[in-house]
Amino acid sequence: NAGVTQTPKFQVLKTGQSMTLQCAQDMNHEYMSWYRQDPGMGLRLIHYSVGAGITDQGEVPNGYNVSRSTTEDFPLRLLSAAPSQTSVYFCASRESGGVYEQYFGPGTRLTVT
Amino acid sequence: AQSVTQLDSHVSVSEGTPVLLRCNYSSSYSPSLFWYVQHPNKGLQLLLKYTSAATLVKGINGFEAEFKKSETSFHLTKPSAHMSDAAEYFCVVSDRWGSGGGADGLTFGKGTHLIIQP
Repeated sequence: NAGVTQTPKFQVLKTGQSMTLQCAQDMNHEYMSWYRQDPGMGLRLIHYSVGAGITDQGEVPNGYNVSRSTTEDFPLRLLSAAPSQTSVYFCASRESGGVYEQYFGPGTRLTVT
Repeated sequence: AQSVTQLDSHVSVSEGTPVLLRCNYSSSYSPSLFWYVQHPNKGLQLLLKYTSAATLVKGINGFEAEFKKSETSFHLTKPSAHMSDAAEYFCVVSDRWGSGGGADGLTFGKGTHLIIQP
């Protein structure tokens, strides 16, 4: 199993540009989520999904969009990048229906200039 | 509502000495608790978890944590620190049914940076 994979590992964007961060998992997990990590703030939930076709907002959803067309993939779209979106982004997945371990991807380090 | 507080943002210990990373939580329901470790430029990896079985939980790499309901604590310990333990550690709380707290049922602490002095 590859686990949770994310691409790209690094990205630099100019203000106003858009892009998609890719996330895939091969563990057949129903539950997937996106977090951003900023210094001193821990991890904050952006969006999550409990299954294909079902998504919902987390704590900091503004400026981001998600969709879930398959169980495996959960891309995160930045609609119009802003410097405040400079962060490290983590995708995670886990089984649903109870309390299970989350598996995290290696992260995408995004800089918006 | 649930919350988690990691009492120290930075902890520095010498190699070979004990490690103590402190975590207090609040939860309206019977909580499940996790400790994750994040090495530099890496994702988060599960160290151990408590889900209402034994209150003393053993994890990977010699770490363990004790769930103390009366003190609402879940401190992480290791008898002897190794240089490879230098990392960021996160305490995470979830209520028993995976709901409440954050929208996905999980609440993360802000992290404790563990520094190991040679």
